[in-house]
Amino acid sequence: GENVEQHPSTLSVQEGDSAVIKCTYSDSASNYFPWYKQELGKRPQLIIDIRSNVGEKKDQRIAVTLNKTAKHFSLHITETQPEDSAVYFCAARRAGKSTFGDGTTLTVKP
Amino acid sequence: GAVVSQHPSRVICKSGTSVKIECRSLDFQATTMFWYRQFPKQSLMLMATSNEGSKATYEQGVEKDKFLINHASLTLSTLTVTSAHPEDSSFYICSATQGGNTEAFFGQGTRLTVV
Repeated sequence: GENVEQHPSTLSVQEGDSAVIKCTYSDSASNYFPWYKQELGKRPQLIIDIRSNVGEKKDQRIAVTLNKTAKHFSLHITETQPEDSAVYFCAARRAGKSTFGDGTTLTVKP
Repeated sequence: GAVVSQHPSRVICKSGTSVKIECRSLDFQATTMFWYRQFPKQSLMLMATSNEGSKATYEQGVEKDKFLINHASLTLSTLTVTSAHPEDSSFYICSATQGGNTEAFFGQGTRLTVV
């Protein structure tokens, strides 16, 4: 089955700096890659996604890049703010079934 | 985005009893619903995939007789934890999609504590 690895597990940045989280996947048939933000005790919220026919997607301060050949994708957050602090999960989906990374705890220090 | 409602949000039950968790898609027809379990500070682990009108597909290691899933309509799936034990205490989350690679929407989760 699919295996998704996510790094780093924890990330601490200063407010205004950029944060980058990377994921690799194993199943070349996976074709949809969402990123979720989860605050403590709450549901995961989709923040951005990318499909396998696209290499990059941007939405304001958030961007995702996908390298299908290398089977890795990354989340980029620019101009980080304290409210960006949360756990971020990547996922790889094939035929509707998602496999999640282990999560990255992002802390943005004011 | 679409709304998925999960109830209850918190439940405490005695060991040996059963607990039912409901997952409803409020404004779209969910052909597929997924049930996840999440331990503290860990990722979401898929337990089973449920398609409307058919039997759920369970992931390896998940006991289908313990975690009963029913997806009787396009807007409702239920997870029943039977004969619950303290080790079943966890955060259970459902998600719903309209199928294929459409966006998945998550319920708010259920914190189950078995005492």
